[in-house]
Amino acid sequence: GEDVEQSLFLSVREGDSSVINCTYTDSSSTYLYWYKQEPGAGLQLLTYIFSNMDMKQDQRLTVLLNKKDKHLSLRIADTQTGDSAIYFCAEGHYSGAGSYQLTFGKGTKLSVIP
Amino acid sequence: DAMVIQNPRYQVTQFGKPVTLSCSQTLNHNVMYWYQQKSSQAPKLLFHYYDKDFNNEADTPDNFQSRRPNTSFCFLDIRSPGLGDAAMYLCATSRLHPRVEVYNEQFFGPGTRLTVL
Repeated sequence: GEDVEQSLFLSVREGDSSVINCTYTDSSSTYLYWYKQEPGAGLQLLTYIFSNMDMKQDQRLTVLLNKKDKHLSLRIADTQTGDSAIYFCAEGHYSGAGSYQLTFGKGTKLSVIP
Repeated sequence: DAMVIQNPRYQVTQFGKPVTLSCSQTLNHNVMYWYQQKSSQAPKLLFHYYDKDFNNEADTPDNFQSRRPNTSFCFLDIRSPGLGDAAMYLCATSRLHPRVEVYNEQFFGPGTRLTVL
């Protein structure tokens, strides 16, 4: 089945860049996503990238996709204390049931040191 | 304005006592999903509705059921909750587009945290 792996923890100093990495196995993924989850809250979509693209930039966020290696990364420039959260990588694909499904990684807990 | 609403946000139940979690949406999306997320784990898809068609994941326990009486509402029923069912339950919706290249996004509710005593 599909699998998504990401490191569990990352600690950075305020103002530095954060890079969160993710690998996936499903070659039929159409879009790849980054979600943010703050304590006790649901999932908030941060950004996404189409599987045929290799880079997408959105303000402080840069997503890099290496489709050959099935490697996805999220770079947060000028990391702030408000960026402290758990970041989930997810891949999307069409399922046999005819609908679209997401498979999530376990999440990377980002801690920002003031 | 809230688009995917889950009630209650926190639910406490007793071991073996049936419980129902509720999700509603104002987006008129044709697909609704239920995920289970345990502490420090990835959200795990339990099942989803594509319009009225129910799709159960192969490893979802029989203890978990769902109902979708109309487009806007979807319920998660846990018939006999065990201690291992304590988790955050996330509802999500999407509008499925048949063309592969068209962007699909799932919109998540805030979740219901279930405690089993």
